[in-house]
Amino acid sequence: KAGVTQTPRYLIKTRGQQVTLSCSPISGHRSVSWYQQTPGQGLQFLFEYFSETQRNKGNFPGRFSGRQFSNSRSEMNVSTLELGDSALYLCASSLVEGYGELFFGEGSRLTVL
Amino acid sequence: AQSVTQLDSHVSVSEGTPVLLRCNYSSSYSPSLFWYVQHPNKGLQLLLKYTSAATLVKGINGFEAEFKKSETSFHLTKPSAHMSDAAEYFCVVSLITGNQFYFGTGTSLTVIP
Repeated sequence: KAGVTQTPRYLIKTRGQQVTLSCSPISGHRSVSWYQQTPGQGLQFLFEYFSETQRNKGNFPGRFSGRQFSNSRSEMNVSTLELGDSALYLCASSLVEGYGELFFGEGSRLTVL
Repeated sequence: AQSVTQLDSHVSVSEGTPVLLRCNYSSSYSPSLFWYVQHPNKGLQLLLKYTSAATLVKGINGFEAEFKKSETSFHLTKPSAHMSDAAEYFCVVSLITGNQFYFGTGTSLTVIP
């Protein structure tokens, strides 16, 4: 079974631009979560989607948004990029039924210049 | 409320000696507990999970953890460290119902040859 796939793996943007990151969950997984990881703040929860609906949201500004499609694939968007948005963005999928274990992708490394 | 405290931000051990990474949690409900490992520029990989079955949980790569409800602890151990164990380790708590996960701040493990 293929794992969680995130694209792109690496990208460089400049301040003020916007970026879209993509996540394909494990087949059959309907829940997709996004996390931001930085050296200073550690792992911070962004949001979680289930069946195209945002169920939970972390404490991030409105510049961070996401969506989920009918095939469970998810995208997150960051608009008006700031230097502090430089981070590893991790996507995780899980089966809602069962033990709630998270399966992570390898992440998208965003650098904002 | 749920929270996770990893008591050591950095642990350094010699190759072949035991590893102990400490984790305490607080949860109002019966929690599921996980340990994840992250190698540089990679996503998180599940080492092991506790979901109210046996209190001593065995995971991959020789790691194990013991759930101690009286101490609200879930420490990760390994009898003999290997160079490949050098990584960041995260303790995670979630509720069995719902899909919210709470991450510790991580413990960086260094293995000295």
